[in-house]
Amino acid sequence: QVQLQESGPGLVKPSQTLSLTCIVSGGSISSGGYYWSWIRQHPGKGLEWIGYIYYTGSTYENSSLKSRLIISIDTSKNQFSLKLSSVTAADTAVYYCARGDLARDYFDYWGQGALVTVSS
Amino acid sequence: DIQMTQSPSSLSASVGDRVTITCRASQRISSYLNWYQQKPGKAPKLLIYAASNLQSEVPSRFSGSGSGTDFTLTISSLQPEDCATYYCQQSYSTPYTFGQGTKLEIK
Repeated sequence: QVQLQESGPGLVKPSQTLSLTCIVSGGSISSGGYYWSWIRQHPGKGLEWIGYIYYTGSTYENSSLKSRLIISIDTSKNQFSLKLSSVTAADTAVYYCARGDLARDYFDYWGQGALVTVSS
Repeated sequence: DIQMTQSPSSLSASVGDRVTITCRASQRISSYLNWYQQKPGKAPKLLIYAASNLQSEVPSRFSGSGSGTDFTLTISSLQPEDCATYYCQQSYSTPYTFGQGTKLEIK
């Protein structure tokens, strides 16, 4: 059973960089056929796709965040990461990591979510 | 970006009712449409993929239909545990986008 777990600071100051890591267990992040995504949910709101990375390092980002976003992968540690720079209160959200199925184009496994609050 | 619009935004129904939620895409997306269920404090759970395919271990009372721009999620006989928010999501093109959600309550 594949499991994903987000980790990182729950509080980030405005203008700083939000950093989260997703540790994958129960399967190899290097196996083809999947892409590793970040999705966020503002408090009480809907879901926003942030971007994804393939095990080769290829990335696709939401253009609305691309200038501030870095998604990276560490296959040796079976984890992938998100860095979002110059954060504001509008970046306060629950951040989910999720596995995307490349063939069927759906998100089938999700982390439990990590609440990140941007506040001084 | 492809906009996804769900209706209604919320609804209340009784146990045993047939419930239908609709999702409309701002452009044709073939059958690249997924449905998720989210309960409070939990991550979304995949219910239906490619518009009409039931994900493994999801109860058969859930079904999906549609193609092009109009899609439907149906719960044939509502159960108490179906109280949740439901989201559609298009996987036709990036950025992947979700509907705003439909909050389903039990009367």
